[in-house]
Amino acid sequence: DTAVSQTPKYLVTQMGNDKSIKCEQNLGHDTMYWYKQDSKKFLKIMFSYNNKELIINETVPNRFSPKSPDKAHLNLHINSLELGDSAVYFCASSQGWSSNPYEQYFGPGTRLTVT
Amino acid sequence: GNSVTQMEGPVTLSEEAFLTINCTYTATGYPSLFWYVQYPGEGLQLLLKATKADDKGSNKGFEATYRKETTSFHLEKGSVQVSDSAVYFCALLGSNYKLTFGKGTLLTVNP
Repeated sequence: DTAVSQTPKYLVTQMGNDKSIKCEQNLGHDTMYWYKQDSKKFLKIMFSYNNKELIINETVPNRFSPKSPDKAHLNLHINSLELGDSAVYFCASSQGWSSNPYEQYFGPGTRLTVT
Repeated sequence: GNSVTQMEGPVTLSEEAFLTINCTYTATGYPSLFWYVQYPGEGLQLLLKATKADDKGSNKGFEATYRKETTSFHLEKGSVQVSDSAVYFCALLGSNYKLTFGKGTLLTVNP
């Protein structure tokens, strides 16, 4: 009964490849997020969707493309992977996204290693 | 823009010691403040939060008070346990609806 799940947990791939990370939440939340955690543990938001609509799109390379087929799923596709993309990617969800401080629930993370 | 500054650590303590992890923030308006904890190999979990000035958030023996005058939200625990070993993140939710994190503080508690 995992609340926010991500697949795969580990992903090792070569430069130039295209890969996807999937995220699913069973909390009935309206809002989902992708975060990147670098090797120094610094966390930064990348994207957020509310009811399948993109609401936050930080300055990330356009090789990164989020897709939300429904409000329970938010996938991250990465084209032409580069060494600098190596990081842990976290998916999160929350009940809403307004100024109310809705708690964000995080998935276990996907460790991406680009060689 | 919004920013969060927290002591980077690492912090190493003996069991039952007193813990303080400092956190200060810069934000426009009236942000909500959070502490998240990341245990080894896991995602982040909300530890506590405060939504307005002078609010005190508390959970599992941890406390933090929202101090608007000093723009701070320091995390404290009176007696740490080995099981508290983790990375702790201070964060704020600003008027842009984005959660901004500090760089995290690694806490190691030795028996």
